[in-house]
Amino acid sequence: DGGITQSPKYLFRKEGQNVTLSCEQNLNHDAMYWYRQDPGQGLRLIYYSQIVNDFQKGDIAEGYSVSREKKESFPLTVTSAQKNPTAFYLCASTRDRGNNQPQHFGDGTRLSIL
Amino acid sequence: AQSVSQHNHHVILSEAASLELGCNYSYGGTVNLFWYVQYPGQHLQLLLKYFSGDPLVKGIKGFEAEFIKSKFSFNLRKPSVQWSDTAEYFCAVRGSSNTGKLIFGQGTTLQVKP
Repeated sequence: DGGITQSPKYLFRKEGQNVTLSCEQNLNHDAMYWYRQDPGQGLRLIYYSQIVNDFQKGDIAEGYSVSREKKESFPLTVTSAQKNPTAFYLCASTRDRGNNQPQHFGDGTRLSIL
Repeated sequence: AQSVSQHNHHVILSEAASLELGCNYSYGGTVNLFWYVQYPGQHLQLLLKYFSGDPLVKGIKGFEAEFIKSKFSFNLRKPSVQWSDTAEYFCAVRGSSNTGKLIFGQGTTLQVKP
């Protein structure tokens, strides 16, 4: 079955450490997105990519970095500069560059600080 | 800047009660509108969407929503809720110039008592 796979499901970060969250899709979708979900704040866009080798900052990009070397993969790195990284991270994708298509979501990664 | 506001943060209903969740957005141009649902332990799923045409849209599981352009609203309704509707519900907006970016509301937690 086609879908979006996020790994790991749970991740723990030590102070000062960078961690990378994986997002892989086999839907042949062009556009991919990373959101952060916090209680009472809904989902906020971190980064998005509409095409391979190109990505744009979302509303809360500080302390995060991404890459899009392959169409099916859009990993998110939470750097030590992100002072409040504890959250639920969701990856999404759409078939074309985004308009006229709903986004499909992965199961998420829950990141906690040790 | 675009924003989405969901009026109810936590709603508690008994089974068979009617449901209406409010959603208002701020955006001056053409919009696509979405309601997503997140059942406990599951990923975000699309309930319904509005792109154009009939402002009353029907989604899965008996949900519907009405787009009222003059009120910048897209309220979600269901005539008779079930215990299995217990979930978190998110309203989202995509402006036509945003090429895929979704702006989410804060979410509404619905608890249905059997």
